[in-house]
Amino acid sequence: GAVVSQHPSRVICKSGTSVKIECRSLDFQATTMFWYRQFPKQSLMLMATSNEGSKATYEQGVEKDKFLINHASLTLSTLTVTSAHPEDSSFYICSAPGWVPTEAFFGQGTRLTVV
Amino acid sequence: AQSVTQLDSQVPVFEEAPVELRCNYSSSVSVYLFWYVQYPNQGLQLLLKYLSGSTLVKGINGFEAEFNKSQTSFHLRKPSVHISDTAEYFCAVSDLGNTGFQKLVFGTGTRLLVSP
Repeated sequence: GAVVSQHPSRVICKSGTSVKIECRSLDFQATTMFWYRQFPKQSLMLMATSNEGSKATYEQGVEKDKFLINHASLTLSTLTVTSAHPEDSSFYICSAPGWVPTEAFFGQGTRLTVV
Repeated sequence: AQSVTQLDSQVPVFEEAPVELRCNYSSSVSVYLFWYVQYPNQGLQLLLKYLSGSTLVKGINGFEAEFNKSQTSFHLRKPSVHISDTAEYFCAVSDLGNTGFQKLVFGTGTRLLVSP
């Protein structure tokens, strides 16, 4: 199947700094990328949808100025957590839709810890 | 709006015993249903999915799930588990959304702990 590569897998950063997470589609072109977040003991929640060449669509309650999403090419989408705070510590994972509407390919996820 | 409920946060079981992980959903429209598995430090891997047709769906690694429309359930089962099945399992329902692509609504996950 198709592969979505997500980096880094783990990152620890200081409060107030920014962290960039990358998702690359390795053997296919992803015009859309979904970004999810999972807090401890909670489900994966959709944060935003990035679209190549246009602005991302954010879900209700997600601060677009804090979570910057860029989808500059058909194989790369990035999520930047700006001015990170401890409450942003979470598991972030990206997903690209497949060739049919019922397919989705997930990255490996990034565990962010803000200290 | 769609939602998914996984009532069991953790299910301990002995090796070679059967297991059932429960999933209930709510939706006002026809749905696609999925089970994903997440091994430690890895991404999500699709176990199986229900789109239409037979309500009994067979997936990878010996897992199967049964779609029950009247009970709005999609429970995951395996007749005999292995130590290697220890992982987090997520039930999800699809939401095609405005893009026409699949956005998934996930349950909170069930941690399956298989011991010798």
